[in-house]
Amino acid sequence: AQSVAQPEDQVNVAEGNPLTVKCTYSVSGNPYLFWYVQYPNRGLQFLLKYITGDNLVKGSYGFEAEFNKSQTSFHLKKPSALVSDSALYFCALNTGGFKTIFGAGTRLFVKA
Amino acid sequence: NAGVTQTPKFRVLKTGQSMTLLCAQDMNHEYMYWYRQDPGMGLRLIHYSVGEGTTAKGEVPDGYNVSRLKKQNFLLGLESAAPSQTSVYFCASSLSDISTDTQYFGPGTRLTVL
Repeated sequence: AQSVAQPEDQVNVAEGNPLTVKCTYSVSGNPYLFWYVQYPNRGLQFLLKYITGDNLVKGSYGFEAEFNKSQTSFHLKKPSALVSDSALYFCALNTGGFKTIFGAGTRLFVKA
Repeated sequence: NAGVTQTPKFRVLKTGQSMTLLCAQDMNHEYMYWYRQDPGMGLRLIHYSVGEGTTAKGEVPDGYNVSRLKKQNFLLGLESAAPSQTSVYFCASSLSDISTDTQYFGPGTRLTVL
């Protein structure tokens, strides 16, 4: 069965410190993986995606994610967190077709 | 370029009432989607459309109907609202197949059914 998991409901990090938001997936075919961010009372905004190629994907606002096939993970990272990064982050999986499986979301709090 | 817009932003219904949510996009996207977002569950696909005049069921279609009479608009209808339909509804669009393409989301409609 295809699934995506975000094992942490919440991540707390101090401003200026590196941050990681975790995502693992389960799929039988090739995974197409996405990260979206949701700010309060807003729709989801695209951050980055992995389709094929380089395992390190760079995206918007200084975020990057590393695709690890052996560990079936696609963790979101940023070298230096900002207070304005505080939001709800969703990992999403698609294996072809019109169904995208979204994780439950991880709330990131960046403390000044 | 407004992107994806949704109307209304908030709505309160009584059980059994009907309503229509409107989604509009000005990016000339072929594909449009309706999702619902519930706490701790991520987003779930209700219905989608691959072009003007076409619609298809998603993961949780029961209790909803949709129409895509114009390419830029995608309507979601609730014929007889139930408390279980209390949720935040998001419309999205993409230029092509969402398996590899980016989805663009509207700001959402918060619906409460009493």
